[in-house]
Amino acid sequence: ETGVTQTPRHLVMGMTNKKSLKCEQHLGHNAMYWYKQSAKKPLELMFVYNFKEQTENNSVPSRFSPECPNSSHLFLHLHTLQPEDSALYLCASSQDMGRGRSSNYGYTFGSGTRLTVV
Amino acid sequence: AQSVTQLDSHVSVSEGTPVLLRCNYSSSYSPSLFWYVQHPNKGLQLLLKYTSAATLVKGINGFEAEFKKSETSFHLTKPSAHMSDAAEYFCVVSDAGSYIPTFGRGTSLIVHP
Repeated sequence: ETGVTQTPRHLVMGMTNKKSLKCEQHLGHNAMYWYKQSAKKPLELMFVYNFKEQTENNSVPSRFSPECPNSSHLFLHLHTLQPEDSALYLCASSQDMGRGRSSNYGYTFGSGTRLTVV
Repeated sequence: AQSVTQLDSHVSVSEGTPVLLRCNYSSSYSPSLFWYVQHPNKGLQLLLKYTSAATLVKGINGFEAEFKKSETSFHLTKPSAHMSDAAEYFCVVSDAGSYIPTFGRGTSLIVHP
């Protein structure tokens, strides 16, 4: 257990479904991230939240909708996904001290949610 | 601007032999560098990090990496591979110019008995 918990571990959903991924950390970190990891492709940053405020949206389609109600919880709401959205979705957290000062700490990752869109 | 290149997509070694995973970086500022490991169906785990202190960094599970500014490299090594080391390894660079780190494409380490 890394301190970052993701649920569910596996999710199969149809293209017309709506589902949510959940991430929770109790490390006292104030920055949280969503990454997408597809086979044969580099890790893709999706969203960044610092102190509950979204600071980065890496050109992610609107069918992915993040929510960060507090510094410990992060959600990724999914609707009308496509088969190419099937991937491992990783949540991470870090102690972000502001621009240019987060780089020293590294990230703590969850185990991911394996999403399959059918 | 920052970038990172992992020079090998796959590295294959025999158990008990040394491991070398190569990483080169580019950074306009003093970089922080990291190595992460990902076992199958798991998230990424931090192995070690360099943040402008000692250039030889020791990590978990017997891994270490050396920061060489003149060569812009941060290669990961281990004296003796174990079967449990078989995993995907990611080199990561982060500098003050872009507080979001850049991940390499990963190197798959295969360990033969």
